[in-house]
Amino acid sequence: GENVEQHPSTLSVQEGDSAVIKCTYSDSASNYFPWYKQELGKGPQLIIDIRSNVGEKKDQRIAVTLNKTAKHFSLHITETQPEDSAVYFCAASDSGYSTLTFGKGTMLLVSP
Amino acid sequence: GAVVSQHPSRVICKSGTSVKIECRSLDFQATTMFWYRQFPKQSLMLMATSNEGSKATYEQGVEKDKFLINHASLTLSTLTVTSAHPEDSSFYICSARSGKGTDTQYFGPGTRLTVL
Repeated sequence: GENVEQHPSTLSVQEGDSAVIKCTYSDSASNYFPWYKQELGKGPQLIIDIRSNVGEKKDQRIAVTLNKTAKHFSLHITETQPEDSAVYFCAASDSGYSTLTFGKGTMLLVSP
Repeated sequence: GAVVSQHPSRVICKSGTSVKIECRSLDFQATTMFWYRQFPKQSLMLMATSNEGSKATYEQGVEKDKFLINHASLTLSTLTVTSAHPEDSSFYICSARSGKGTDTQYFGPGTRLTVL
C-alpha cells in the first residue's frame, strides 16, 4: 500500500518568512495530492491540491510542487502570518475511487 | 460550497452506552463518505469507507460490530459507537466525496467523544 512521509514534524518561522513542508510517497500509481490545514479542535480544511498532470499549482500565498520522478511534493507558504499557525497534512491517493493516505502532519508556528 | 457538518460536536457518555454521530453533506450529494479517528497530536486514521446504499468497508483492525456505519442517503452517514469504553474516547471526523470523476474529500468539523 501507499506510504507517505512528511517533514518536518514541527516548523517555527517568523511572520513574513516563507515555510516549506515536504512529503514523499511510495506508490508510483498515486496521482492526486491534497494538502489540508487543521486548527486545534477542528476538522481538516482543504487548502490546495495537485494532480499528476501538472508540476506546480499556486493559489495566492500558497503553492504546491510535484516531482513525480522523485515521488515527492511540497507545500510552500509565502509571507506567513500568525493565522497560518496550524497542523498541515499532506496526502496521496491513486484514483478517484481510492482512499487517502496521510502524512503524520507538520505543526507550523508563525511568531509575530 | 462543499460543506460537511457533524453532530454533535462534543459528547460525553458513560461506559457501556452507545453514541451516534451524524455526518451530513450540506450542499452536495456524497456518494462516498469516510470515517476517521484521530488521537491527540497524531494523524488521521481511516476507519471505514461507506458508499450510499451499500455496506461499509472497514479498515483492518476496526471492529465492524463496534463501529456501526450507515449511509442511507446521499447526504447523510452515521457512525454508532456501541458499548463505548474509555479507550474509544477520541476525535471522530467524517469526510465526503461527491462522486465519479472527483478525488476531493471535504471534511466535517469533527466530534469529540469522551467516555467516562
